[in-house]
Amino acid sequence: GAVVSQHPSWVICKSGTSVKIECRSLDFQATTMFWYRQFPKQSLMLMATSNEGSKATYEQGVEKDKFLINHASLTLSTLTVTSAHPEDSSFYICSAPRAGNDNEQFFGPGTRLTVL
Amino acid sequence: GENVEQHPSTLSVQEGDSAVIKCTYSDSASNYFPWYKQELGKGPQLIIDIRSNVGEKKDQRIAVTLNKTAKHFSLHITETQPEDSAVYFCAAPRDSSYKLIFGSGTRLLVRP
Repeated sequence: GAVVSQHPSWVICKSGTSVKIECRSLDFQATTMFWYRQFPKQSLMLMATSNEGSKATYEQGVEKDKFLINHASLTLSTLTVTSAHPEDSSFYICSAPRAGNDNEQFFGPGTRLTVL
Repeated sequence: GENVEQHPSTLSVQEGDSAVIKCTYSDSASNYFPWYKQELGKGPQLIIDIRSNVGEKKDQRIAVTLNKTAKHFSLHITETQPEDSAVYFCAAPRDSSYKLIFGSGTRLLVRP
């Protein structure tokens, strides 16, 4: 299957700082990528859709100014958590559908963010 | 919009027994139903999926069945092994797009 990577795999930061998480499709191009957030023992919740060459679209209740998304190329999307607070601590996971694969999505390994 | 319900939330089986996890969905236009396995601290891994033009799909010890009329689909794991222990999620596309709506997850424990 296709490979999606994330970096870093975990990060600890102080409250008020910003953190950038990268999502890369390693062996295919992805014009669209998705960002999910997962709290402990809960399901994945879609946060936003990252679109190459255009603005990201956000799910209801997700602050676009807090979670900045940039889809810089056909293989890279970044999520920046700005002015992070302890309640932003979570597991952030990206995914990408591969063109021609008819819905099948490939997920990254996730990034554990802890805000102190 | 799509709504996906999953049960049970936890399932404990003896090694070698079968495990069944069920999901229901609300959008009759949905045509793709994946199942993911998530181990602790890792991202979800696709284990099997089914499209609406078939009623059943099998891959070794794993099978998925789909009942479009009733709008539910199930994951079947036979001859369970301790390494099958994980959280399993079903999902369905929202608005016929790539966006996936996930079920609440089932924590499967296979006792040796």
